[in-house]
Amino acid sequence: SAVISQKPSRDICQRGTSLTIQCQVDSQVTMMFWYRQQPGQSLTLIATANQGSEATYESGFVIDKFPISRPNLTFSTLTVSNMSPEDSSIYLCSVEGQGLATGEQYFGPGTRLTVT
Amino acid sequence: AQSVTQLDSHVSVSEGTPVLLRCNYSSSYSPSLFWYVQHPNKGLQLLLKYTSAATLVKGINGFEAEFKKSETSFHLTKPSAHMSDAAEYFCVVSNQAGTALIFGKGTTLSVSS
Repeated sequence: SAVISQKPSRDICQRGTSLTIQCQVDSQVTMMFWYRQQPGQSLTLIATANQGSEATYESGFVIDKFPISRPNLTFSTLTVSNMSPEDSSIYLCSVEGQGLATGEQYFGPGTRLTVT
Repeated sequence: AQSVTQLDSHVSVSEGTPVLLRCNYSSSYSPSLFWYVQHPNKGLQLLLKYTSAATLVKGINGFEAEFKKSETSFHLTKPSAHMSDAAEYFCVVSNQAGTALIFGKGTTLSVSS
């Protein structure tokens, strides 16, 4: 398995501002993903973070709202831009591949975001 | 498109009794299926996975699941519940490329003494 950390663990932000969430893995991985878990809901995939190229976004999510960076094989960031209360969620990163069992994803502890 | 349906939003059992969490899937290809568990204020943990090998899959903490293609089901079971099993359980299917996970809505398991 992999050890995944996220910063910050939680934050309270004002509407209209932006927050950047960091995801760090203790080993090189092929795939990194970002998910959102809205209050009382299941997880929804936002995008796949691609190393050295633009992220691949799922339907309903756009780069202007959720810009993603992945400068290397162990690190990625997700920015939640121009926040509104509807963005209040837990944001999770996950990883897969390169030394990990095929088809298994390992999740970070999540970042709990509250927008006021 | 692929999807999963968790048939119960909430399951309550007594400690020491069997656990059954139901999941049906829909997929146009042979899917990879997973069960994840999320304890309160903790991260998601992989319980077990099915990837077209044995249809009965054993996971951690005494859980197991059986893949039944004819019924398009992947139910999670445990012979005897423990208080520490109380958590949110997610049935998950991978997309066709195997690069992304699609989560069910989750089942909350409560265990009483």
